[in-house]
Amino acid sequence: DTAVSQTPKYLVTQMGNDKSIKCEQNLGHDTMYWYKQDSKKFLKIMFSYNNKELIINETVPNRFSPKSPDKAHLNLHINSLELGDSAVYFCASSQGWTGGATSGYTFGSGTRLTVV
Amino acid sequence: GQQVMQIPQYQHVQEGEDFTTYCNSSTTLSNIQWYKQRPGGHPVFLIQLVKSGEVKKQKRLTFQFGEAKKNSSLHITATQTTDVGTYFCAGSRTGNQFYFGTGTSLTVIP
Repeated sequence: DTAVSQTPKYLVTQMGNDKSIKCEQNLGHDTMYWYKQDSKKFLKIMFSYNNKELIINETVPNRFSPKSPDKAHLNLHINSLELGDSAVYFCASSQGWTGGATSGYTFGSGTRLTVV
Repeated sequence: GQQVMQIPQYQHVQEGEDFTTYCNSSTTLSNIQWYKQRPGGHPVFLIQLVKSGEVKKQKRLTFQFGEAKKNSSLHITATQTTDVGTYFCAGSRTGNQFYFGTGTSLTVIP
């Protein structure tokens, strides 16, 4: 069984479109994250939710809006896509806000977003 | 966010050679973690170090946390083709939010 699953795996879309990426974890973790990995492989935290509450909101354009309907799901909606949004987006989870400090983060397999 | 730099950015080694990547933080860290990302894959948690001067081993991998808790290293002995990938450190000042390093991409030439 996949621990952290993201859909879709690949997403190709035109500039200006709106798209969503979904993430679900079955580990029973209560903290979930969105990371962006650019072409140079730099991994940057975007958002973090703990028990459906937003606890980290790094400097990210407000075109990006996360939504956590319950602690097992964290979705990412992106409005008015731009060329610079092309990247791999990873969802991750950990047990507790400090859970990343005990057993690390469990990452999903990523969504490769290409904006043309 | 805090700065965590890794060197080198890229490393090519012959199979059987050793490999080391270094992680340096501008601030004192409470914890440091290491992850491996295979080409086309996702980061996978390897280990966490907490204590000053701590050394941990996993088979051919040796992880070290500096005495000042500002740097860390990952050393692989006798690399194999299965070691190919990008290795990331991730440091935290507070024990909760971790910031990833810039990564070291390892290529192993058979």
